Amino acid sequence: QSVLIQPPSVSGTPGQRVTISCSGSNSNIGSNYVYWYQQFPGTAPKLLVDGNTQRPSGVPDRFSGSKSGSSASLAISGLRSEDEAEYYCVAWDDSLSGYVFGTGAKVTVL
Amino acid sequence: QVQLVESGGGVVHSGRSLRVSCAASGFMFSRYAMNWVRQAPGKGLEWVAVISYDGSNQYIADSVKGRFIISRDNYKDILYLQMNSLTIEDTAVYYCARDPLSYSSGRGDGFDIWGQGTMVTVSS
Repeated sequence: QSVLIQPPSVSGTPGQRVTISCSGSNSNIGSNYVYWYQQFPGTAPKLLVDGNTQRPSGVPDRFSGSKSGSSASLAISGLRSEDEAEYYCVAWDDSLSGYVFGTGAKVTVL
Repeated sequence: QVQLVESGGGVVHSGRSLRVSCAASGFMFSRYAMNWVRQAPGKGLEWVAVISYDGSNQYIADSVKGRFIISRDNYKDILYLQMNSLTIEDTAVYYCARDPLSYSSGRGDGFDIWGQGTMVTVSS
């Protein structure tokens, strides 16, 4: 059961900047790191943002993460057609003693 | 290269058991906590369980607690998920995923490396 809330869909035109929100609570985002994953149909998720804001090696700097209180965001600048995918946030939840994933947001490039 | 390969998925009747495995290579398996994450057809990601690098700590999602057991063999570099009393709601692709920090308990570090997944279908 997802307890992190994301918009179901986000869209933009090529070159545009889009933002995906991830809303949680004090027990998860408010207390722990947030991670972002990109997933294409039929494939395993890929780490995009580590520890709230860090990009692993090889991830384009068009992707950036931020966190404020019990919410986090993933921004994609200079949107490209290959960014069309599902995006998930995830954080550890101290109350549940487990990870909670976001509901997922599908990015569409118009 | 660093790789995780799941196996053991298949079709099983409701109420039965199944064990899936995840073989690790290209890194010191015994130094890393490991997770299972699942994804039902057409649905989002759901975390299932994590086990610390040495197996001394495990955390299990409430949705499977009492039915699923996570374990590891640090000599064979294999992660396991024993699934008992399976229900149709357990139908999903099961991914294993590595915690990026060495010698971690597995609480809150995220996942850096993922396997390709193994499909488990529970039929009525």
